[in-house]
Amino acid sequence: DGGITQSPKYLFRKEGQNVTLSCEQNLNHDAMYWYRQDPGQGLRLIYYSQIVNDFQKGDIAEGYSVSREKKESFPLTVTSAQKNPTAFYLCASSPNPGTGGELFFGEGSRLTVL
Amino acid sequence: DAKTTQPPSMDCAEGRAANLPCNHSTISGNEYVYWYRQIHSQGPQYIIHGLKNNETNEMASLIITEDRKSSTLILPHATLRDTAVYYCIVRVARGGSYIPTFGRGTSLIVHP
Repeated sequence: DGGITQSPKYLFRKEGQNVTLSCEQNLNHDAMYWYRQDPGQGLRLIYYSQIVNDFQKGDIAEGYSVSREKKESFPLTVTSAQKNPTAFYLCASSPNPGTGGELFFGEGSRLTVL
Repeated sequence: DAKTTQPPSMDCAEGRAANLPCNHSTISGNEYVYWYRQIHSQGPQYIIHGLKNNETNEMASLIITEDRKSSTLILPHATLRDTAVYYCIVRVARGGSYIPTFGRGTSLIVHP
């Protein structure tokens, strides 16, 4: 079945460690997005990519990094520079990067910093 | 910043219609309005979208005002499983593209 797969579902990290969250899609979508969600809050955009080998900062990119070497993959690295990384992270993709198209979401990754 | 405004919470009796409003007064002529819902600790799920005409699918109906400055998502017969956060979104112009931007949504509680 087509869809978006995020892993791991739960992740614990010690302060000062970098962690990478995986996002893979087999929908052949050009655009991919990373959002962060804190308790009781909406989704905030971290990074987005409209095409392979290109990505742009969102509203809260500081302390995060991404890559888009393959169309189907858009991993997010949470670096030690991110001051408050404990959150729920959601990856999404859409077929029409410039103009529209519905978003398809993964099931999310919950990161907890100990 | 989100370009939509929604009430933070609403409640509805099971079996009744749930009417969820959204204000998008700065929407441009070619922007669609999309609705998603998020059940706790899951990824948001697409519900419906529209441009200017009213739309209906198996999940819901979408009513868009003639001036396109607001819309209402209608769940005709709400069930307990419709309890979720509902997001109304439009895309925000950013660097030549249009990026989906979420606000805080409306937390809908359906009670017995």
